[in-house]
Amino acid sequence: DSGVTQTPKHLITATGQRVTLRCSPRSGDLSVYWYQQSLDQGLQFLIQYYNGEERAKGNILERFSAQQFPDLHSELNLSSLELGDSALYFCASSSGGGQTPYEQYFGPGTRLTVT
Amino acid sequence: ELKVEQNPLFLSMQEGKNYTIYCNYSTTSDRLYWYRQDPGKSLESLFVLLSNGAVKQEGRLMASLDTKARLSTLHITAAVHDLSATYFCAEETSGSRLTFGEGTQLTVNP
Repeated sequence: DSGVTQTPKHLITATGQRVTLRCSPRSGDLSVYWYQQSLDQGLQFLIQYYNGEERAKGNILERFSAQQFPDLHSELNLSSLELGDSALYFCASSSGGGQTPYEQYFGPGTRLTVT
Repeated sequence: ELKVEQNPLFLSMQEGKNYTIYCNYSTTSDRLYWYRQDPGKSLESLFVLLSNGAVKQEGRLMASLDTKARLSTLHITAAVHDLSATYFCAEETSGSRLTFGEGTQLTVNP
């Protein structure tokens, strides 16, 4: 158990809908990262937040957005869902902001199925 | 373009044998990570390699980093069935984001 929690574990929804994935980092960790894992794209970095502020952006679609709240939990919002958004979404956390190497610990993931 | 390439992508080996997984990356990063993933599960951190020449060992696994060659290796010694999983290397780049390789699916047969 990494100490990173994600809810829900599974989500099944229809195309065009909107969903919210939630992540609680390990106690004391200030950075939260979101990754998407799919069969065709592999594991891709989406976005990073550090202490409430966006720190880095990767291959995140405009239909997707994220935020980190004052209590450091993070939410990833996916809207206008398409079949291709079906994937495993991981949240990871680390203690640092990027200048020093900090190991990332991954949560159990949320499996999103869009039908 | 950031690119991390692993080979082989699929590896079937017998128990007791040795093998090496290779990870080539594209930038001058000196931070390389190895993760293990069991089917349908999360990623488990195996090794963090932070400098040229770094070598780390845990049980039957040993990882090394050559930043000049932009190459990391994961060596498996005397494989056992419990090592069957998918292994990912990941390069840390700007903002501490991780760029992952495609993964090496390892199957250890009795």
